[in-house]
Amino acid sequence: DTAVSQTPKYLVTQMGNDKSIKCEQNLGHDTMYWYKQDSKKFLKIMFSYNNKELIINETVPNRFSPKSPDKAHLNLHINSLELGDSAVYFCASSQGVAGSSSYNEQFFGPGTRLTVL
Amino acid sequence: AQKVTQAQTEISVVEKEDVTLDCVYETRDTTYYLFWYKQPPSGELVFLIRRNSFDEQNEISGRYSWNFQKSTSSFNFTITASQVVDSAVYFCALSGLFSGGYNKLIFGAGTRLAVHP
Repeated sequence: DTAVSQTPKYLVTQMGNDKSIKCEQNLGHDTMYWYKQDSKKFLKIMFSYNNKELIINETVPNRFSPKSPDKAHLNLHINSLELGDSAVYFCASSQGVAGSSSYNEQFFGPGTRLTVL
Repeated sequence: AQKVTQAQTEISVVEKEDVTLDCVYETRDTTYYLFWYKQPPSGELVFLIRRNSFDEQNEISGRYSWNFQKSTSSFNFTITASQVVDSAVYFCALSGLFSGGYNKLIFGAGTRLAVHP
């Protein structure tokens, strides 16, 4: 009964490779997010989609491309991986409708630890 | 600018002690949301509480309590009778209209709490 799931949990790859991380939520939420947590535990939002539309696009390299095939899925594709991309990537989801009792409470997936060698 | 400051980098207590984690925020929004998340050693991010700026009532949930004071721009978190299972990194976060929208969480740097037996 996982609410927000991510695959894979661990990803080890060489510099220059292309990789994808998948995220799915079964909470019926209409907004999904990608966050990056660096080695110092600092959390920063990267992207957000609401009903498959991009609503937040922070200053991230364009090697990172999110894709939302439907409102329950938000995948993250990373091209030409660099050492500095090593981090934990978290997917999250929330109910985007203002006024609902659970509005913008974000629920996070378990994270994907990406290591670039 | 929107900002969240968690000045306590690490706190170490002995079991059964009470501990307060500080969170100070800056925002130019009149309507905003404040959050606390817990990240235990296993790595997942667990939602604890959301508070909107119009609700200054303190909240208690079991051993957890939160003190929201707009006058000092603080949203502090107290754990009463701490337990070893409370050991985690705790994050305070803020969202507001002028910082990218209510869905964009701005996190503090986190406070690492170690509870020793």
